[in-house]
Amino acid sequence: QTVVTQEPSLTVSPGGTVTLTCASTTGAVTSGFYPNWFQQKPGQAPRALIYGTSNKHPWTPARFSGSLLGGKAALTLSGVQPEDEAEYYCLLYYGGAVVFGGGTKLTVL
Amino acid sequence: QVQLQQWGAGLLKPSETLSLTCGVYGGSFSGYYWSWIRQPPGKGLEWIGEINHSGRTNYNPSLKSRATISVDTSKNQFSLELSSVTAADTAVYYCAKAWHYGDYGIDYWGQGTLVTVSS
Repeated sequence: QTVVTQEPSLTVSPGGTVTLTCASTTGAVTSGFYPNWFQQKPGQAPRALIYGTSNKHPWTPARFSGSLLGGKAALTLSGVQPEDEAEYYCLLYYGGAVVFGGGTKLTVL
Repeated sequence: QVQLQQWGAGLLKPSETLSLTCGVYGGSFSGYYWSWIRQPPGKGLEWIGEINHSGRTNYNPSLKSRATISVDTSKNQFSLELSSVTAADTAVYYCAKAWHYGDYGIDYWGQGTLVTVSS
């Protein structure tokens, strides 16, 4: 059973920078897992932010960026805004199967 | 601008079959994978499976025995059936659009449908 793990919670100050990570129990995450990142606010459907490790959707704010970091996928928020407080989910693609991470609750305080 | 609109029964009894449909409006229907994802109350996202316009499917191994995803290209719709539901299947179910070209991504999501399983 493949498990994708994320930090359960993180706190960042407004204007600060924070990095969320996404790891796989199968080993190092590479570009071949095509990491995706999603933002979800209470009562809303998830919103896509990043696909294919670092590609942004047309609606993705510039302060969001994706990368690979130390064998994990990473989502970095630079210049955090209060409206960035949300749950963030990563997704990894395992050749025909998709697994979501457990989510990171980001608090802006 | 793609819009996904989903509908289906929101209250089921144990052992019944869950049935949801998602309509795709705007954009191309062919060339993409059409996905179902669920989220139990207060928990994370779980991928259920996907289908393309040709009917090729991929499923989460943990749900494969009970899940069936089908497509109606004449209506730009796709559907999910989940048999023998239990309380553990209580969740918000989302449909979503995905692609597999050169990489993998999900962009557009439906509004979600809360399905409650209770006797």
